[in-house]
Amino acid sequence: DAKTTQPTSMDCAEGRAANLPCNHSTISGNEYVYWYRQIHSQGPQYIIHGLKNNETNEMASLIITEDRKSSTLILPHATLRDTAVYYCIVRVNYGGATNKLIFGTGTLLAVQP
Amino acid sequence: DSGVTQTPKHLITATGQRVTLRCSPRSGDLSVYWYQQSLDQGLQFLIQYYNGEERAKGNILERFSAQQFPDLHSELNLSSLELGDSALYFCASSEGTGGYQETQYFGPGTRLLVL
Repeated sequence: DAKTTQPTSMDCAEGRAANLPCNHSTISGNEYVYWYRQIHSQGPQYIIHGLKNNETNEMASLIITEDRKSSTLILPHATLRDTAVYYCIVRVNYGGATNKLIFGTGTLLAVQP
Repeated sequence: DSGVTQTPKHLITATGQRVTLRCSPRSGDLSVYWYQQSLDQGLQFLIQYYNGEERAKGNILERFSAQQFPDLHSELNLSSLELGDSALYFCASSEGTGGYQETQYFGPGTRLLVL
């Protein structure tokens, strides 16, 4: 089972910031939070990941709360091409193996013109 | 473009048949992962190979098998196909064995339709 909870869907106006929340209240100290997105049946695209500090790259920013129980992915200036399903994933240690990604149902972000 | 390539893009076959899906990882990546995405199950991990050896196994059916070759490309073999095997099959790759900090990069997928 996925260890994350995300809203099913969100809307955002083009050019505005999109803030996608994720709850991961059972996260352990050494588990990373990853974000991927999937644009209409294409392969999932890596966006960003973090442990406890805020992270930023050319695609997005990741804000992780101090208690690490939730995080927010921020797309600073959403465009129509950002319409996709966004997955928040906690890398879980399964008997010593962290290999697999557990995808939940994600958030469908619809960017409106 | 993630650098991971998959062939074919589309595959249509009949029940009971066998197919092979191919994946080439990013240059330098040693691990290959296979995932299945069906309408009712979402994205599910099937299996991982690292440098030619099976590393981790997920919800892979006994009718399915995979291997990774010395040049690091991987093949997923699906046999005795059933209607329910119709799905998108994605391959991903990563640098090493697949730890917490290791990002997996996905290919464009193969869409399999079993009639």
